[in-house]
Amino acid sequence: DGGITQSPKYLFRKEGQNVTLSCEQNLNHDAMYWYRQDPGQGLRLIYYSQIVNDFQKGDIAEGYSVSREKKESFPLTVTSAQKNPTAFYLCASSMQASNQPQHFGDGTRLSIL
Amino acid sequence: AQTVTQSQPEMSVQEAETVTLSCTYDTSESDYYLFWYKQPPSRQMILVIRQEAYKQQNATENRFSVNFQKAAKSFSLKISDSQLGDAAMYFCAYRSLGANSKLTFGKGITLSVRP
Repeated sequence: DGGITQSPKYLFRKEGQNVTLSCEQNLNHDAMYWYRQDPGQGLRLIYYSQIVNDFQKGDIAEGYSVSREKKESFPLTVTSAQKNPTAFYLCASSMQASNQPQHFGDGTRLSIL
Repeated sequence: AQTVTQSQPEMSVQEAETVTLSCTYDTSESDYYLFWYKQPPSRQMILVIRQEAYKQQNATENRFSVNFQKAAKSFSLKISDSQLGDAAMYFCAYRSLGANSKLTFGKGITLSVRP
């Protein structure tokens, strides 16, 4: 079955540590996205990529980094510069046409130890 | 920049009844797309329905329909014959035309269904 796989489901970070969240899709989608979700807030865009080896900052990119070396993969690194990383992170992908909906993974819950 | 507003943080509906979730947006564009997503307790985001702004006909998907008022920039979701499985957070989202466009989400509304 085609879909988006995020791993791990739960992740814990120590102070000063970088952690990487994985996102893989086998939908042959060109575009991929990372969102952060906090209680009482909608989804806020961190980074997105429309094509391999290219990505753009979203609305809250500070303290995060990404790479897009393969079409299928779009990992997100939460760096030590992100002072409030505790949140639910969602990865999504879509065809490039703007009328196409985004398909989402099951999310990763990141907490601070 | 576009903004999406969902002013009701919570709503409740009796099973088998109808409920309408409100959404307004702000844009200077004439063509765009609007979406409603559902997020159940499992937290997976599921597309419920989408509407193209250039279409006057309101979109319908089984028990879900929208009331799209372009001039008023309003995009409400109506759920008919509510079921217990409809309990979830619902997000309204806006997307501009263009391959490089992004989705802008509202803050969501929590819908509970009373048996």
